[in-house]
Amino acid sequence: AQSVTQLDSQVPVFEEAPVELRCNYSSSVSVYLFWYVQYPNQGLQLLLKYLSGSTLVKGINGFEAEFNKSQTSFHLRKPSVHISDTAEYFCAVISTGGGNKLTFGTGTQLKVEL
Amino acid sequence: GAGVSQSPSNKVTEKGKDVELRCDPISGHTALYWYRQRLGQGLEFLIYFQGNSAPDKSGLPSDRFSAERTGESVSTLTIQRTQQEDSAVYLCASRPLLTGAYGYTFGSGTRLTVV
Repeated sequence: AQSVTQLDSQVPVFEEAPVELRCNYSSSVSVYLFWYVQYPNQGLQLLLKYLSGSTLVKGINGFEAEFNKSQTSFHLRKPSVHISDTAEYFCAVISTGGGNKLTFGTGTQLKVEL
Repeated sequence: GAGVSQSPSNKVTEKGKDVELRCDPISGHTALYWYRQRLGQGLEFLIYFQGNSAPDKSGLPSDRFSAERTGESVSTLTIQRTQQEDSAVYLCASRPLLTGAYGYTFGSGTRLTVV
């Protein structure tokens, strides 16, 4: 079985500061990893994905994430956040052979303050 | 349409009543998923439709929950005899057959409140 842990339920940060949202996963087989963002009253939007190849993945809106197999992590980073980045961020995993069903973490609420 | 459409966007119902939630996937998307998002929790997988294959119902929490989909069109999620713990946002997603997980497009969800 696969699972995803997002330890931080809320992360407050000042505008233009860097941010890291943590994600750890567990799976007995190879995985595909994803970060989704959910703005208020909107659906989930794919930020970035790791399928294979380079462990550093760049996504939309200046976000990037690094796949670390030894630490089973896929932390999301942005060097300078904007007020518009305020949203809920979900890490998700699919194990190869898992029927393409996403398993989500509990989410991290990023609140950017002036 | 341009995206996955869900209706209604909000639904308040009395405990014990049945509710029906609707999902219109993107045209041509053969796979359709239902997820539930309860307050403070991650998204829980409920059910998965792939074309004309038998649906994967492994995530449905009880026999009060059921879903239908005819071909590659609209899907309805029905909750019978609703309970307060059914209060959640119900999200639908669709994807084309060959894109794998990165082809998911999510709808905006139906917020269900059971009072």
